[in-house]
Amino acid sequence: GAVVSQHPSWVICKSGTSVKIECRSLDFQATTMFWYRQFPKQSLMLMATSNEGSKATYEQGVEKDKFLINHASLTLSTLTVTSAHPEDSSFYICSARDGLAGGYEQYFGPGTRLTVT
Amino acid sequence: KQEVTQIPAALSVPEGENLVLNCSFTDSAIYNLQWFRQDPGKGLTSLLLIQSSQREQTSGRLNASLDKSSGRSTLYIAASQPGDSATYLCAALMDSSYKLIFGSGTRLLVRP
Repeated sequence: GAVVSQHPSWVICKSGTSVKIECRSLDFQATTMFWYRQFPKQSLMLMATSNEGSKATYEQGVEKDKFLINHASLTLSTLTVTSAHPEDSSFYICSARDGLAGGYEQYFGPGTRLTVT
Repeated sequence: KQEVTQIPAALSVPEGENLVLNCSFTDSAIYNLQWFRQDPGKGLTSLLLIQSSQREQTSGRLNASLDKSSGRSTLYIAASQPGDSATYLCAALMDSSYKLIFGSGTRLLVRP
């Protein structure tokens, strides 16, 4: 149980284009989802927290107009990187919390490797 | 602001050795502490989760301890195997915000 998927697993896009990453909870209702970014050989940094049906809360230094987060259903959240630039190349990982089970454990997706050329 | 530090940053050991990975955190107001494994280019695999009221958790050859008052956690790996080679991350779940704060990780290489 508690499986989280991400799609795509990797994506290459040209500078200036936008790319959307999906995060799905497969067997539970994710009332809260989190988006992290990980640069090579560095740790995970929280970008934003989203609650189903509400606007996302962004961490300090994360541009909300550049990283658009939508959490329209209890099983799906999307992260759209708008006008991507090479410095946005990174590993993006989502996690989800099971709202019905209670507790605060986060279940992590397998990550999406974004390369902007 | 919570800071989570992991020492050492990298570790290379021969197969069969017992080893300890260290994690320290500056703010003791944590809800729980979790250890993860990350293989290159992959996502996170949860290894052990210790609630703030607990002292340790065990799973197979892994044992994690938590000393909340001193801001420390350790991950003990017994009889290490080449398959244990990965990056190990610790993360503290904050009491106030329920956000996970990650350490920078320890890259472990177990040599055959």
